[in-house]
Amino acid sequence: AQSVTQLDSHVSVSEGTPVLLRCNYSSSYSPSLFWYVQHPNKGLQLLLKYTSAATLVKGINGFEAEFKKSETSFHLTKPSAHMSDAAEYFCVVSATSGTYKYIFGTGTRLKVLA
Amino acid sequence: DAGITQSPRHKVTETGTPVTLRCHQTENHRYMYWYRQDPGHGLRLIHYSYGVKDTDKGEVSDGYSVSRSKTEDFLLTLESATSSQTSVYFCAISDRGQDSPLHFGNGTRLTVT
Repeated sequence: AQSVTQLDSHVSVSEGTPVLLRCNYSSSYSPSLFWYVQHPNKGLQLLLKYTSAATLVKGINGFEAEFKKSETSFHLTKPSAHMSDAAEYFCVVSATSGTYKYIFGTGTRLKVLA
Repeated sequence: DAGITQSPRHKVTETGTPVTLRCHQTENHRYMYWYRQDPGHGLRLIHYSYGVKDTDKGEVSDGYSVSRSKTEDFLLTLESATSSQTSVYFCAISDRGQDSPLHFGNGTRLTVT
């Protein structure tokens, strides 16, 4: 079975400061992991994905995430927040065998302060 | 953007009525998914399909059924709508399942009064 936990429901940062959104996962098989972003009243956009290649994954808009198997984590980071980063972020896990399900975390709402 | 169309975009219906939401894709992807999004819950999987006529339940399948008679269409039916099914419904597709990303439609906002 798979599950994903986003450790913070809300995160506030000042513009220009680093962003850290935390995600822990559980999977019976080698996982694939994804981060999605949803701006207010918009659809979901893929930020980045991990599928068993490099453990440090770079995505769009300066975001990156590091897969740490020993910690079962896949935290999302950005060196410098921009006002346009204010949105809800979702961590997603799927297994590489046994099921075709994609399981979402409950989301982290990022607020960027001027 | 992936060619995914959800219809209708908005619907208001009364408790006890049946409702069908449609997802149409032009990408010829094998895997299709229905999620509902509610505040505090993220997106929860309702049903998914891994091929024509092949479907399976997700986390919150009670009160919902699905059908997939063609690769491009995946229908979600609320047999008898309840107020707890008021939500935003998203359809998603994936070409390989598992290690390929989901691509989403724009969502259907359903209100059950």
